[in-house]
Amino acid sequence: DAKTTQPPSMDCAEGRAANLPCNHSTISGNEYVYWYRQIHSQGPQYIIHGLKNNETNEMASLIITEDRKSSTLILPHATLRDTAVYYCIVRIYNQGGKLIFGQGTELSVKP
Amino acid sequence: NAGVTQTPKFRVLKTGQSMTLLCAQDMNHEYMYWYRQDPGMGLRLIHYSVGEGTTAKGEVPDGYNVSRLKKQNFLLGLESAAPSQTSVYFCASNRGGQSGELFFGEGSRLTVL
Repeated sequence: DAKTTQPPSMDCAEGRAANLPCNHSTISGNEYVYWYRQIHSQGPQYIIHGLKNNETNEMASLIITEDRKSSTLILPHATLRDTAVYYCIVRIYNQGGKLIFGQGTELSVKP
Repeated sequence: NAGVTQTPKFRVLKTGQSMTLLCAQDMNHEYMYWYRQDPGMGLRLIHYSVGEGTTAKGEVPDGYNVSRLKKQNFLLGLESAAPSQTSVYFCASNRGGQSGELFFGEGSRLTVL
């Protein structure tokens, strides 16, 4: 199983871009990178996913390095409501699509 | 369209009691999952199902049983509750395939005394 490594915590100023890194050096060629976030003790919320190309949606952008060993989630204009724990996950394709969560990064957006 | 619904949302048990958590989804999803989350920790996968009538073990299956008799429901059972099973339990569903996202319920907080 590909494992992910994230910093335990980060701070970001409100209105600035938040760049959350993730290392997944053992990722396989057919494994996707997923990002979720969890606000307080709510159920995790899907943000974005990608295979090899950079992806963007209304919430965030995902930048995956060419060797796919790391990725960065970008929240372009962080708000106080983006304060949450962010999880970077590699999806195991051939095992029922289960997602294994790591410890995540606790992002604090400050005024 | 309610998404993923978990019942009950709160429960207090005594050691040795049994209970069942129910997860229901109305999105016709193939895959369903049960996770637990302890304070300050990430989510850990207990069991999951890739379709009606199927179940599989996750990272921490001991002490739990599951059943998927109907596609829309995934039940998590504790036969003899232990204080170590005090946790918040999250159910999730996924339509299946390579790149589907997980939809989570709001969680069920279980305390075992």
